[in-house]
Amino acid sequence: NAGVTQTPKFQVLKTGQSMTLQCAQDMNHNSMYWYRQDPGMGLRLIYYSASEGTTDKGEVPNGYNVSRLNKREFSLRLESAAPSQTSVYFCASSYLDRGSNYGYTFGSGTRLTVV
Amino acid sequence: DAKTTQPPSMDCAEGRAANLPCNHSTISGNEYVYWYRQIHSQGPQYIIHGLKNNETNEMASLIITEDRKSSTLILPHATLRDTAVYYCIVRLSSGGTSYGKLTFGQGTILTVHP
Repeated sequence: NAGVTQTPKFQVLKTGQSMTLQCAQDMNHNSMYWYRQDPGMGLRLIYYSASEGTTDKGEVPNGYNVSRLNKREFSLRLESAAPSQTSVYFCASSYLDRGSNYGYTFGSGTRLTVV
Repeated sequence: DAKTTQPPSMDCAEGRAANLPCNHSTISGNEYVYWYRQIHSQGPQYIIHGLKNNETNEMASLIITEDRKSSTLILPHATLRDTAVYYCIVRLSSGGTSYGKLTFGQGTILTVHP
Protein backbone atom coordinates (compact mmCIF):
# COMPACT_ATOMS: atom_id res chain seq x y z
CA ASN A 1 0.00 0.00 0.00
CA ALA A 2 2.00 2.98 -1.31
CA GLY A 3 -0.25 5.84 -0.09
CA VAL A 4 0.96 9.13 -1.62
CA THR A 5 3.96 8.91 -3.94
CA GLN A 6 5.94 11.97 -5.00
CA THR A 7 8.60 12.17 -7.69
CA PRO A 8 11.34 13.24 -7.82
CA LYS A 9 12.60 13.22 -4.24
CA PHE A 10 15.37 15.72 -4.96
CA GLN A 11 15.88 18.25 -7.74
CA VAL A 12 18.26 21.10 -8.51
CA LEU A 13 17.16 23.64 -11.10
CA LYS A 14 18.76 26.68 -12.62
CA THR A 15 16.85 29.96 -12.49
CA GLY A 16 14.40 30.12 -15.38
CA GLN A 17 14.16 26.36 -15.92
CA SER A 18 10.82 24.61 -15.77
CA MET A 19 9.82 21.35 -14.20
CA THR A 20 6.81 19.33 -13.07
CA LEU A 21 6.48 17.67 -9.69
CA GLN A 22 4.42 14.50 -9.83
CA CYS A 23 2.06 13.18 -7.17
CA ALA A 24 -0.06 10.03 -7.21
CA GLN A 25 -2.27 8.40 -4.56
CA ASP A 26 -3.76 4.92 -4.50
CA MET A 27 -6.31 5.38 -1.71
CA ASN A 28 -9.25 6.42 -3.90
CA HIS A 29 -9.20 9.87 -2.29
CA ASN A 30 -11.13 12.60 -4.09
CA SER A 31 -9.18 15.66 -2.85
CA MET A 32 -5.51 16.43 -3.34
CA TYR A 33 -3.24 19.27 -2.16
CA TRP A 34 0.17 20.82 -2.78
CA TYR A 35 2.05 22.50 0.08
CA ARG A 36 5.47 24.07 0.37
CA GLN A 37 7.58 24.25 3.50
CA ASP A 38 10.45 26.68 3.88
CA PRO A 39 13.15 26.13 6.53
CA GLY A 40 11.81 26.57 10.07
CA MET A 41 8.31 27.34 8.81
CA GLY A 42 4.97 25.61 8.78
CA LEU A 43 3.39 24.31 5.58
CA ARG A 44 1.69 26.74 3.21
CA LEU A 45 -0.98 25.67 0.73
CA ILE A 46 -0.14 26.33 -2.93
CA TYR A 47 -3.06 24.76 -4.80
CA TYR A 48 -5.67 22.16 -4.11
CA SER A 49 -8.17 20.03 -5.98
CA ALA A 50 -11.34 19.22 -4.07
CA SER A 51 -12.41 16.70 -6.70
CA GLU A 52 -11.39 15.42 -10.11
CA GLY A 53 -11.77 18.21 -12.66
CA THR A 54 -11.49 21.11 -10.21
CA THR A 55 -8.51 23.09 -8.95
CA ASP A 56 -8.31 26.17 -6.73
CA LYS A 57 -5.63 28.53 -5.49
CA GLY A 58 -4.33 28.30 -1.98
CA GLU A 59 -2.30 30.76 0.05
CA VAL A 60 0.80 31.04 -2.19
CA PRO A 61 -0.13 30.16 -5.82
CA ASN A 62 2.04 32.67 -7.71
CA GLY A 63 4.63 31.04 -9.96
CA TYR A 64 2.88 27.67 -10.01
CA ASN A 65 0.32 25.82 -12.08
CA VAL A 66 -1.40 22.53 -11.37
CA SER A 67 -3.14 19.77 -13.28
CA ARG A 68 -5.53 17.20 -11.86
CA LEU A 69 -4.79 14.58 -14.49
CA ASN A 70 -7.24 12.02 -13.12
CA LYS A 71 -8.49 10.95 -9.72
CA ARG A 72 -5.10 9.52 -8.77
CA GLU A 73 -2.69 12.15 -10.04
CA PHE A 74 -2.12 15.83 -9.25
CA SER A 75 0.93 17.56 -10.70
CA LEU A 76 2.58 20.89 -9.82
CA ARG A 77 4.44 22.83 -12.50
CA LEU A 78 7.03 25.57 -12.14
CA GLU A 79 7.14 27.38 -15.47
CA SER A 80 10.19 29.57 -14.74
CA ALA A 81 11.89 28.60 -11.50
CA ALA A 82 13.17 31.31 -9.16
CA PRO A 83 15.47 31.02 -6.11
CA SER A 84 12.49 31.99 -3.92
CA GLN A 85 10.90 28.68 -4.89
CA THR A 86 13.64 26.72 -3.16
CA SER A 87 11.64 24.68 -0.68
CA VAL A 88 10.35 21.26 0.26
CA TYR A 89 7.12 20.43 -1.55
CA PHE A 90 4.56 18.08 -0.05
CA CYS A 91 1.60 16.53 -1.77
CA ALA A 92 -1.35 15.29 0.28
CA SER A 93 -4.67 13.61 -0.33
CA SER A 94 -7.86 13.10 1.62
CA TYR A 95 -11.41 11.91 1.26
CA LEU A 96 -13.58 15.01 1.29
CA ASP A 97 -17.27 14.59 1.98
CA ARG A 98 -19.78 16.97 3.51
CA GLY A 99 -20.58 15.90 7.02
CA SER A 100 -17.55 13.62 7.27
CA ASN A 101 -14.04 14.36 8.39
CA TYR A 102 -10.92 12.48 7.46
CA GLY A 103 -7.24 13.10 7.95
CA TYR A 104 -4.80 13.93 5.20
CA THR A 105 -2.15 11.49 4.01
CA PHE A 106 1.08 13.22 3.02
CA GLY A 107 3.83 12.16 0.67
CA SER A 108 7.48 12.15 1.69
CA GLY A 109 8.26 15.40 -0.11
CA THR A 110 10.33 16.78 -2.99
CA ARG A 111 13.36 18.82 -2.00
CA LEU A 112 13.84 21.49 -4.65
CA THR A 113 16.80 23.85 -4.89
CA VAL A 114 16.85 26.67 -7.46
CA VAL A 115 20.27 28.17 -8.09
CA ASP B 1 -10.74 29.32 9.80
CA ALA B 2 -10.02 29.91 13.48
CA LYS B 3 -6.41 30.54 14.38
CA THR B 4 -4.55 28.45 16.91
CA THR B 5 -1.87 29.29 19.46
CA GLN B 6 0.68 26.73 20.63
CA PRO B 7 3.82 27.01 22.75
CA PRO B 8 6.90 27.02 20.50
CA SER B 9 8.64 24.20 22.35
CA MET B 10 8.20 21.64 25.12
CA ASP B 11 10.29 18.94 26.76
CA CYS B 12 9.21 15.56 28.08
CA ALA B 13 11.00 12.67 29.75
CA GLU B 14 10.85 9.31 28.03
CA GLY B 15 8.07 7.14 29.44
CA ARG B 16 6.14 10.07 30.85
CA ALA B 17 2.97 11.57 29.43
CA ALA B 18 3.39 14.49 27.05
CA ASN B 19 0.60 17.05 27.25
CA LEU B 20 0.58 19.52 24.37
CA PRO B 21 -1.81 22.48 24.73
CA CYS B 22 -3.54 24.44 21.99
CA ASN B 23 -5.64 27.56 22.22
CA HIS B 24 -8.36 28.14 19.62
CA SER B 25 -10.56 30.72 21.29
CA THR B 26 -12.27 31.83 18.04
CA ILE B 27 -13.31 28.35 16.93
CA SER B 28 -16.79 28.11 15.47
CA GLY B 29 -19.37 25.43 16.02
CA ASN B 30 -18.67 23.52 12.80
CA GLU B 31 -14.88 23.49 13.03
CA TYR B 32 -13.01 20.40 14.07
CA VAL B 33 -9.69 20.30 15.93
CA TYR B 34 -7.01 18.26 14.17
CA TRP B 35 -3.54 17.27 15.32
CA TYR B 36 -0.67 16.34 13.03
CA ARG B 37 3.00 15.81 13.67
CA GLN B 38 6.09 16.10 11.51
CA ILE B 39 9.12 14.03 12.38
CA HIS B 40 12.37 15.58 11.17
CA SER B 41 11.81 16.45 7.50
CA GLN B 42 9.19 13.82 6.71
CA GLY B 43 5.66 14.57 5.54
CA PRO B 44 3.20 15.42 8.33
CA GLN B 45 1.38 12.50 9.91
CA TYR B 46 -2.26 12.59 11.02
CA ILE B 47 -2.70 11.86 14.73
CA ILE B 48 -6.27 12.52 15.82
CA HIS B 49 -9.22 14.89 15.46
CA GLY B 50 -12.36 15.82 17.38
CA LEU B 51 -15.33 18.17 17.51
CA LYS B 52 -16.39 18.47 21.15
CA ASN B 53 -16.06 15.07 22.76
CA ASN B 54 -12.79 13.67 23.99
CA GLU B 55 -11.23 11.23 21.56
CA THR B 56 -8.70 8.42 21.91
CA ASN B 57 -6.93 6.22 19.39
CA GLU B 58 -3.84 4.04 19.36
CA MET B 59 -1.54 7.04 19.10
CA ALA B 60 -2.96 9.65 21.46
CA SER B 61 -5.86 11.19 23.33
CA LEU B 62 -7.49 14.52 22.59
CA ILE B 63 -9.13 16.49 25.38
CA ILE B 64 -11.32 19.42 24.28
CA THR B 65 -12.62 21.85 26.90
CA GLU B 66 -16.36 22.23 27.28
CA ASP B 67 -16.32 25.74 25.74
CA ARG B 68 -14.14 24.35 22.89
CA LYS B 69 -11.70 27.24 23.20
CA SER B 70 -8.73 25.03 23.94
CA SER B 71 -7.58 21.45 23.68
CA THR B 72 -4.76 19.18 24.83
CA LEU B 73 -3.09 16.37 22.93
CA ILE B 74 -1.84 13.65 25.25
CA LEU B 75 0.83 11.12 24.33
CA PRO B 76 0.46 8.72 27.26
CA HIS B 77 3.94 7.20 27.28
CA ALA B 78 6.30 9.33 25.21
CA THR B 79 9.24 7.69 23.47
CA LEU B 80 12.30 9.18 21.77
CA ARG B 81 10.56 8.55 18.43
CA ASP B 82 7.83 10.98 19.44
CA THR B 83 10.27 13.89 19.12
CA ALA B 84 8.65 16.00 16.39
CA VAL B 85 6.82 19.22 15.57
CA TYR B 86 3.17 18.94 16.58
CA TYR B 87 0.57 21.02 14.76
CA CYS B 88 -2.87 21.88 16.11
CA ILE B 89 -5.25 22.89 13.31
CA VAL B 90 -8.91 23.82 13.17
CA ARG B 91 -10.70 22.84 10.01
CA LEU B 92 -14.14 23.57 8.66
CA SER B 93 -16.26 20.44 8.62
CA SER B 94 -18.30 21.26 5.52
CA GLY B 95 -19.21 24.12 3.21
CA GLY B 96 -17.56 27.50 2.75
CA THR B 97 -14.51 28.51 0.76
CA SER B 98 -12.07 26.99 3.23
CA TYR B 99 -13.82 23.63 3.30
CA GLY B 100 -11.33 20.79 3.40
CA LYS B 101 -8.22 22.94 3.61
CA LEU B 102 -5.69 22.64 6.43
CA THR B 103 -3.84 25.77 7.51
CA PHE B 104 -0.62 25.01 9.38
CA GLY B 105 0.87 27.30 12.00
CA GLN B 106 4.32 27.07 13.56
CA GLY B 107 3.47 24.16 15.83
CA THR B 108 5.16 22.96 19.02
CA ILE B 109 8.58 21.33 18.92
CA LEU B 110 8.35 18.42 21.36
CA THR B 111 11.67 17.00 22.49
CA VAL B 112 11.56 13.70 24.35
CA HIS B 113 14.76 13.08 26.29
CA PRO B 114 16.06 9.93 27.99
